[in-house]
Formats: sequence, C-alpha cells, structure tokens
Amino acid sequence: DVKVTQSSRYLVKRTGEKVFLECVQDMDHENMFWYRQDPGLGLRLIYFSYDVKMKEKGDIPEGYSVSREKKERFSLILESASTNQTSMYLCASSLTESQGYYEQYFGPGTRLTVT
Amino acid sequence: AQSVAQPEDQVNVAEGNPLTVKCTYSVSGNPYLFWYVQYPNRGLQFLLKYITGDNLVKGSYGFEAEFNKSQTSVHLKKPSALVSDSALYFCANRYNFNKFYFGSGTKLNVKP
Repeated sequence: DVKVTQSSRYLVKRTGEKVFLECVQDMDHENMFWYRQDPGLGLRLIYFSYDVKMKEKGDIPEGYSVSREKKERFSLILESASTNQTSMYLCASSLTESQGYYEQYFGPGTRLTVT
Repeated sequence: AQSVAQPEDQVNVAEGNPLTVKCTYSVSGNPYLFWYVQYPNRGLQFLLKYITGDNLVKGSYGFEAEFNKSQTSVHLKKPSALVSDSALYFCANRYNFNKFYFGSGTKLNVKP
C-alpha cells in the first residue's frame, strides 16, 4: 500500500512564525501536491511538484513556498504565518500521467492553528 | 473553465436504503473524474475513477458511479447504505497535467 505521511497531525503557531510542514511518500511517485481544506471550499491546490526541484503554483500559492530536494519528500513553508492560514493541510502523491495511473494518495493531514 | 460541482452540502439516508451523492462537471474534452471519501480527522481515500468506457464504474466498499454524458454528471451510488458510510465525499476532475479540481464536498449521514 502507498503510504503518505505528514510530520504533524496538529500544530499551533504564532502569527509571524516560519512554519514547515513535511510530507513523505514511500511509493516512488513523481507527483506531489499540497492542498488546504476549508469547510465549504473543498480542497484547494497550493503547490504541485512533478519532479525533484520542480514545482508549479496552484490556485492559492500566496504566502506559501515549497521545497522538493528528494523525490520522496515535499515540504510546505509558510514564510510568515498569519491567522488566515489556519486550516487543514493535506499532502498527496501520484504517479504521472504517462504511467496510466491518475488517482492521488493522501496523507492524514495537518491541522494548523495560527494564533 | 474546468470544474466540478457538488450541489448538496449534506445527504441524509436511512441504513439499508440506497444512497446517491451528486456531482456535475464542466470540462472540455474527455472528463477524468474521481470520487474520494474522507472519514473524520483523516486524509482522503480513493473510491473510484471514471476515465472512459462503461457508464457504470464499480469502486471500493460497494460504491459505484453512474456517468451520464448528456447531463454531465457522475453520481456516486450504493444500493444499501451502512452507518459506517457516514463521511465526507468529494468528486474531482483531473486537468492540466495531473492537477485535480475538487468539489466542495458532500457530508453523508446514514442513520440507523
């Protein structure tokens, strides 16, 4: 089974802090994703990476950055946390389109509260 | 624009009755449509996908999806609901090189 793990289930940070959310997958997937989930809004894509050191902005990248130094690890960085970044953050991975598999596999999520 | 819509925030059904969770899509070209389930305090789990072919696709846990091209819908169905099916359900559309657009989610409540 594909396993996607996230470094923390719950996190509380103060406004202005730099926050790192880590995600690791063990299935050698090329693609990795960071989403935030808010009630009534579903999942919104923050950033997407299709290879090591490669990234693309999603729909809501403002206030976030990402890092992918190794294939299995994808980090989300909040440069200066703000209260409107309080949310559930979900990491996902998938094989790439050319391999014929499309579904994403999700981690358990990190519930971040910024006070 | 490519998108999906889930018109119901919540669906209530009695255990043993059939259930339907609705999703409509708006895409150019062939749709690639997915259903996921999220249990409380958990990540999303893949249920099934519609790529091409049969209009009825079977997935995990007894769920199936009915694709209707003329109505641009891909509704999630199950013949007999279980209390343990109570969860949040998302439909999603793949677009633009492996990216996915998710609907807003439908909360399914199955009462004993």
